[in-house]
Amino acid sequence: GAGVSQSPSNKVTEKGKDVELRCDPISGHTALYWYRQSLGQGLEFLIYFQGNSAPDKSGLPSDRFSAERTGGSVSTLTIQRTQQEDSAVYLCASSLGQGINQPQHFGDGTRLSIL
Amino acid sequence: RKEVEQDPGPFNVPEGATVAFNCTYSNSASQSFFWYRQDCRKEPKLLMSVYSSGNEDGRFTAQLNRASQYISLLIRDSKLSDSATYLCVVKTSYDKVIFGPGTSLSVIP
Repeated sequence: GAGVSQSPSNKVTEKGKDVELRCDPISGHTALYWYRQSLGQGLEFLIYFQGNSAPDKSGLPSDRFSAERTGGSVSTLTIQRTQQEDSAVYLCASSLGQGINQPQHFGDGTRLSIL
Repeated sequence: RKEVEQDPGPFNVPEGATVAFNCTYSNSASQSFFWYRQDCRKEPKLLMSVYSSGNEDGRFTAQLNRASQYISLLIRDSKLSDSATYLCVVKTSYDKVIFGPGTSLSVIP
């Protein structure tokens, strides 16, 4: 079956522009996570959606970052007024939902480069 | 103190060697545990879940010690293709998922 799909694969943009990243989770997965990973670094948690519950936004680094998930499926991560330090790979993961032993499945990521 | 800590590495081992990675977590309410591997410039991929009784998948063995809040991964008969970064992942109640910083493994011919 289809895995987690992210688009675009790569995005190069100028500092100050807004960008929108998309994640299409595995069908039926109610939990969706966004992470970012800078080169040579570990995963940095950004935001988590679970069903219709209020998202856990505790990892968003600034108010320039926002995310939404419409209809409990596709999610978009928006970065406004991009800065060079936003350059990273943005990874989306989904899992079957609440409950122990439900692992996350990752998309290929979006490689974002801010010039 | 970080919520999930791992051996800093890198580990450089010859083919055929046995290598063990350690991971500790700080939240005693953690409920689920996983090992992921991440190849260079790739997304993390699930290697195996870690169960209380310990579990084995081919050359890979995972152990959990809840009392010590410690997880381990043992790789026997290392292959070149095992070269990757190994991520310890801890899931608490309410689905909070915490990734460790990872331990890099290079298997040398």
